Amino acid sequence: EAQVTQNPRYLITVTGKKLTVTCSQNMNHEYMSWYRQDPGLGLRQIYYSMNVEVTDKGDVPEGYKVSRKEKRNFPLILESPSPNQTSLYFCASSHDYRQKDEKLFFGSGTQLSVL
Amino acid sequence: GQSLEQPSEVTAVEGAIVQINCTYQTSGFYGLSWYQQHDGGAPTFLSYNGLDGLEETGRFSSFLSRSDSYGYLLLQELQMKDSASYFCASNSNYQLIWGAGTKLIIKP
Repeated sequence: EAQVTQNPRYLITVTGKKLTVTCSQNMNHEYMSWYRQDPGLGLRQIYYSMNVEVTDKGDVPEGYKVSRKEKRNFPLILESPSPNQTSLYFCASSHDYRQKDEKLFFGSGTQLSVL
Repeated sequence: GQSLEQPSEVTAVEGAIVQINCTYQTSGFYGLSWYQQHDGGAPTFLSYNGLDGLEETGRFSSFLSRSDSYGYLLLQELQMKDSASYFCASNSNYQLIWGAGTKLIIKP
């Protein structure tokens, strides 16, 4: 089954403790992206990747890192999480975002709470 | 700045028709997408308009007017399962710029 898999689904952590949220897609998609969703603010892009070893900042990259060493994986790293990073996170992918009508496929989300 | 405006909440009756509007102000615009998100779920793609006019997919239709920087999503024959949040998103320069979402409440 074609899908984007995110783990974990829920995560509670404490300020400053490094964490990684994993994202994997099995559709051979070139484009992958991370979003955070906060009430009333919609989806805001954190980082995106057009292909392996190519990443770029989105609208809210501060406090986050990403890497794209393999086409299928795009982990999100919080080196020193802070309470303002408490949010719902989504990973998404699409075949090739240079095609203007490309649709995004989303993972099931990770609800992160930083205490 | 780049922004998309949509109503925060819309209420309608089961079986009726509802329209969710979206106005945008973005650079490098080349199309408008619509996504549906149920509570606790992930957004799923509904439709895309790259050209002016109406696109129909079953009970859902989407419209775009580039000259007015405006689009809408039309849902017909509303069902309870259509209760969800609906997001418009502007396809611009390899990114999607998202509206804040419209919560659709359906009453029996």
